Amino acid sequence: SQKIEQNSEALNIQEGKTATLTCNYTNYSPAYLQWYRQDPGRGPVFLLLIRENEKEKRKERLKVTFDTTLKQSLFHITASQPADSATYLCALASGSSNTGKLIFGQGTTLQVKP
Amino acid sequence: GAVVSQHPSRVICKSGTSVKIECRSLDFQATTMFWYRQFPKQSLMLMATSNEGSKATYEQGVEKDKFLINHASLTLSTLTVTSAHPEDSSFYICSANSLLGVTEAFFGQGTRLTVV
Repeated sequence: SQKIEQNSEALNIQEGKTATLTCNYTNYSPAYLQWYRQDPGRGPVFLLLIRENEKEKRKERLKVTFDTTLKQSLFHITASQPADSATYLCALASGSSNTGKLIFGQGTTLQVKP
Repeated sequence: GAVVSQHPSRVICKSGTSVKIECRSLDFQATTMFWYRQFPKQSLMLMATSNEGSKATYEQGVEKDKFLINHASLTLSTLTVTSAHPEDSSFYICSANSLLGVTEAFFGQGTRLTVV
């Protein structure tokens, strides 16, 4: 069955360092992969989308890589700040990529200490 | 970006009663909306796909008679939890895409349902 796995352990880093989060998937050939941020008691907020033919994508302090051979995406936050503390979810399209239906990983909680 | 509004944000109800949750796309039309459920420290689990003007499509294991979905207009989908039980207590979230195809999902702020 299709499966998405993220680091289940919380990630604690010092302010200013780079946070790296991992998303691995099996039994998928996704056309694109997305990353979302979720704060406690809130709905997820979209951060980045990367397509299968893109190796890397950047947005301000965020960088996402997508390796379809390894079936893995890495999500980096450079110069991390305490305000970056949240849960980060990766998501893949389920079934046809045109339905908009997403399957989410369990999320990794990031804690940035000042 | 596009805005999806979900209401109410919190609701407490008694066992056996029904609760309706609304999901509205405020500045775009959504022919399709999605309903998710999230238990503490777990990921979002897709419950159903809400299709405007037709029946919802439910994921395996989700009871369609218990979780009634209505998508009567291009900007509104509702989820009704019928005959609620304490095990239905969860965080319910809706989402919509402003365009079909490769695009990000816009989520509502979620509804915390507590059944007592």
